[in-house]
Amino acid sequence: AQSVTQLGSHVSVSEGALVLLRCNYSSSVPPYLFWYVQYPNQGLQLLLKYTSAATLVKGINGFEAEFKKSETSFHLTKPSAHMSDAAEYFCAVSGGGGFKTIFGAGTRLFVKA
Amino acid sequence: KAGVTQTPRYLIKTRGQQVTLSCSPISGHRSVSWYQQTPGQGLQFLFEYFSETQRNKGNFPGRFSGRQFSNSRSEMNVSTLELGDSALYLCASSPDRGRDEQFFGPGTRLTVL
Repeated sequence: AQSVTQLGSHVSVSEGALVLLRCNYSSSVPPYLFWYVQYPNQGLQLLLKYTSAATLVKGINGFEAEFKKSETSFHLTKPSAHMSDAAEYFCAVSGGGGFKTIFGAGTRLFVKA
Repeated sequence: KAGVTQTPRYLIKTRGQQVTLSCSPISGHRSVSWYQQTPGQGLQFLFEYFSETQRNKGNFPGRFSGRQFSNSRSEMNVSTLELGDSALYLCASSPDRGRDEQFFGPGTRLTVL
């Protein structure tokens, strides 16, 4: 079975500060991992994905994530937060039996001026 | 390419009624998944269709059903609506591989009074 845990339902940072959103996964097979972002009243948009190539994955809007198998983690980072980064972020895992993608509970990012 | 479209965007129904939501995937995508998003439960998987066949189903009661047509367009139906069915219903499409990233529509906001 697969699962995703996102630590912290809410994260608040100051503009210009480091963004770190945590995601831990569980998977019985090599996983595909994703980060999605959701802005108010919109659907989810893919930020980046890991598919067993490079462990450091770069995405859109300056975000990146590092796959660490030993820690079963896939944390999302951005060196300098911008006001426009305020949104909800979802970590997701797919693979294994069936064709489901499992989403984490989401982390809402607040950016203070 | 046009993105995933969902109709209607907003819907208000009363308890006991039924509702049908529609989703048109990205051209060429054969997999369509449906999710229910609520503040309390987060993003929950409803079902996934591929080539007109339901390939996976989440833990929802039988009041929730869906189908996919030969052109990959999909509909979901909720019968005997309950107050707790108020949610944002998201549709996502992907190419035929089960581990692909998903492309989300803007969602249908259903309010049950």
